[in-house]
Amino acid sequence: GENVEQHPSTLSVQEGDSAVIKCTYSDSASNYFPWYKQELGKRPQLIIDIRSNVGEKKDQRIAVTLNKTAKHFSLHITETQPEDSAVYFCAASSNSGNTPLVFGKGTRLSVIA
Amino acid sequence: EAGVTQFPSHSVIEKGQTVTLRCDPISGHDNLYWYRRVMGKEIKFLLHFVKESKQDESGMPNNRFLAERTGGTYSTLKVQPAELEDSGVYFCASSQWGEKLFFGSGTQLSVL
Repeated sequence: GENVEQHPSTLSVQEGDSAVIKCTYSDSASNYFPWYKQELGKRPQLIIDIRSNVGEKKDQRIAVTLNKTAKHFSLHITETQPEDSAVYFCAASSNSGNTPLVFGKGTRLSVIA
Repeated sequence: EAGVTQFPSHSVIEKGQTVTLRCDPISGHDNLYWYRRVMGKEIKFLLHFVKESKQDESGMPNNRFLAERTGGTYSTLKVQPAELEDSGVYFCASSQWGEKLFFGSGTQLSVL
């Protein structure tokens, strides 16, 4: 089955700096890669996703890149702000949702003002 | 539109007791998922309903866990009897098309 590895487990950055979180996956059939953000005491929420037919996707200060050959994908947050502090989870699935999302272990991002 | 709701938000029980968690998905979402996160680890898949049918229950740890979704609306997850290793946050999520998941706030289960 699919296995998703996520690094780093914790990340601290100064406000205004960039943050990068990396994930690798094992199943070459995976074709959907979402990222979820969980703020303290709140539910995980989808912030961006990418499909295997796209190499990069951007939404304001966040972007995700996908390297299918290497089977890794990354989340990039630019101009970080204190409200970006949260736990971020990457995930992967295949067959467009017919197989369940497999999540990484999460990255706790702290943005220091 | 109401989101996915779960209750209780917290449950503290003793080893050997029974606990039932409830999840109300977003109205119209046929897909309902249960996940569990043990502290510091991944959000681990437990099972997936499509309407009232179990599509995939490969993640259920053992037969102490029983999930139901009668009528294809809300779902319950019962743990009987609970063991220490069952502690964690149990998330429910729903989806219309099986991809973009909407999560509930989770139930923090502590087994003492």
